[in-house]
Amino acid sequence: AQSVAQPEDQVNVAEGNPLTVKCTYSVSGNPYLFWYVQYPNRGLQFLLKYITGDNLVKGSYGFEAEFNKSQTSFHLKKPSALVSDSALYFCAVRDLPYNTDKLIFGTGTRLQVFP
Amino acid sequence: KAGVTQTPRYLIKTRGQQVTLSCSPISGHRSVSWYQQTPGQGLQFLFEYFSETQRNKGNFPGRFSGRQFSNSRSEMNVSTLELGDSALYLCASSEELAGFRGGNEQFFGPGTRLTVL
Repeated sequence: AQSVAQPEDQVNVAEGNPLTVKCTYSVSGNPYLFWYVQYPNRGLQFLLKYITGDNLVKGSYGFEAEFNKSQTSFHLKKPSALVSDSALYFCAVRDLPYNTDKLIFGTGTRLQVFP
Repeated sequence: KAGVTQTPRYLIKTRGQQVTLSCSPISGHRSVSWYQQTPGQGLQFLFEYFSETQRNKGNFPGRFSGRQFSNSRSEMNVSTLELGDSALYLCASSEELAGFRGGNEQFFGPGTRLTVL
């Protein structure tokens, strides 16, 4: 069965410092992986996805993610955090079979960026 | 293009009542999915519709149902509401890309916050 895990409930980082939000996955077949962000009282916003190709994926708002097959990880990164990046971040994996749009989400990581 | 819209944004119901939530996908998107978000269970998949047909269903009781119309708009219905149904219900749509199965992202609406008293 497809699954993702986000080992950290919360990540704290100072503004201007690099940030990393961790995600590991367990899949059968090709991993189709996604990152979403949720701001208070809002829906989920798509940040980026890994389908195939380069292991470093660039997305919205300066975020990027590194796909690592040997470590089954898909960590979200940003070189310089902003206070406005404070939000809830979800990692997700496409379920099987691939003719469904169903995503399986991690438990979420709350990112807090301090001024 | 306008994003995914959901109505109403907030609902308060009492136990035993039923509720209908509505979702309008992004123009041109024919696939619509519903998710339930709660603090305890996180994001849980409810069901998915494509071209008016239910293509996938999550592990929820039969009190939860949905449908999709010919214009791709979707509704979900919850009958005999229970306290545990209090949640944020999120609708998402995606574009079916030929030959690109599995890799299309979903776009989410703002959600409907349902409170059951």
